[in-house]
Amino acid sequence: DIQMTQSPSTLSASVGDRVTITCRASQSLSPWLAWYQQKPGKAPKLLIYKTSDLESAVPSRFSGSASGTDFTLTIAGLQPDDFATYYCQQYKTYPWTFGQGTKVEVK
Amino acid sequence: QVQLVQSGAEVRMPGSSVKVSCKASGGIFGSYSVSWVRQAPGQGLEWMGEIMPLAGKINYAQKFQGRVTITAVESASTVYMELSSLRSEDTAVYYCARIYVSVLWYWGQGTLVTVSS
Repeated sequence: DIQMTQSPSTLSASVGDRVTITCRASQSLSPWLAWYQQKPGKAPKLLIYKTSDLESAVPSRFSGSASGTDFTLTIAGLQPDDFATYYCQQYKTYPWTFGQGTKVEVK
Repeated sequence: QVQLVQSGAEVRMPGSSVKVSCKASGGIFGSYSVSWVRQAPGQGLEWMGEIMPLAGKINYAQKFQGRVTITAVESASTVYMELSSLRSEDTAVYYCARIYVSVLWYWGQGTLVTVSS
């Protein structure tokens, strides 16, 4: 199975901050990586697919990139609605696997 | 407008089975795949398996092989996930999600399954 190691597990930030979350894959999988946002008691919501393609309703302050087996989700100018938990997920090979999640909390 | 509506919360005894449904509306049922993902309390997301009705294919995560069965009834536009030999560690919210451009694009609201004696 492809292991996805996500960091940090928790991130404290303020509104307006630039936030970066990293996901490292145990093997090559580009570009088959997605990012999801989840709020308490709600289903995850797709933000980014194929490493850097934004779901159409997602604000442009979200972006994704990759360097080798390292993938990054960046939020440029954190908004109040962005405090949530974020997960990466690879879909190159079954079983699809997720990172452990990063909780973005208020500093 | 694609929508996935799941069945309600369930409580089961250890050793029993549970069957969760996921009714789809919008789009052509059978022409897209549906996955099941679960989330234990306070934990991360775990992919369980996927059904591709049009292709007649089903993939299960090795961890659940032999205990999980995913089926689809096209006439009801519904996908089912049955998990057997339940144990306390199976207490979780179970989500169905429709695949689009190979990713988990549309999600159901989740179904809480509690396993307790």
